[in-house]
Amino acid sequence: GENVEQHPSTLSVQEGDSAVIKCTYSDSASNYFPWYKQELGKRPQLIIDIRSNVGEKKDQRIAVTLNKTAKHFSLHITETQPEDSAVYFCAASNGNQFYFGTGTSLTVIP
Amino acid sequence: SAVISQKPSRDICQRGTSLTIQCQVDSQVTMMFWYRQQPGQSLTLIATANQGSEATYESGFVIDKFPISRPNLTFSTLTVSNMSPEDSSIYLCSGAVGTGGNEQFFGPGTRLTVL
Repeated sequence: GENVEQHPSTLSVQEGDSAVIKCTYSDSASNYFPWYKQELGKRPQLIIDIRSNVGEKKDQRIAVTLNKTAKHFSLHITETQPEDSAVYFCAASNGNQFYFGTGTSLTVIP
Repeated sequence: SAVISQKPSRDICQRGTSLTIQCQVDSQVTMMFWYRQQPGQSLTLIATANQGSEATYESGFVIDKFPISRPNLTFSTLTVSNMSPEDSSIYLCSGAVGTGGNEQFFGPGTRLTVL
């Protein structure tokens, strides 16, 4: 089955700096890679996703890059704000199941 | 998008009993899933709920312990059977829309404590 690894497990940045979270996957059949943000006590919320036919996608301060050959994808958050503080999960899907990374706890220091 | 509700939102149960969690989606979804999330941990897929047939379970999860039903496209239940304290966790259902079961949306979760 799929194995998704995520790094780092914790990340602290100063407000206004950038944050980068990286994930690798093992199953070459995976073709959809979403990122979720989960605030304490809340449900995971989809923030951005990318499909295997695209190398990069951007939505305002959030961007995701995908390297299919190396089987890794990354989340980039620019101009971080305190409200970006949360746990972020990457996931990989082959269209049938979703497999999640272990999560990154991001703290943005005002 | 899809709006997903779950009930109960939380429960405290005695060892050896069973609890059924309900998940309702406001629109038809391609696929429905059940996850378990320990506090501070990632989401672990329990099974894919298949409409009108047996669920597809992930390694480490079995139907006798986690029976799942999905009688239609918008409703599913997960039962946690013969509970032990190790079953204490948050259980989340999700629905996926779009081609190939993408764009997954989550319910609010059910926080289960087993004494």
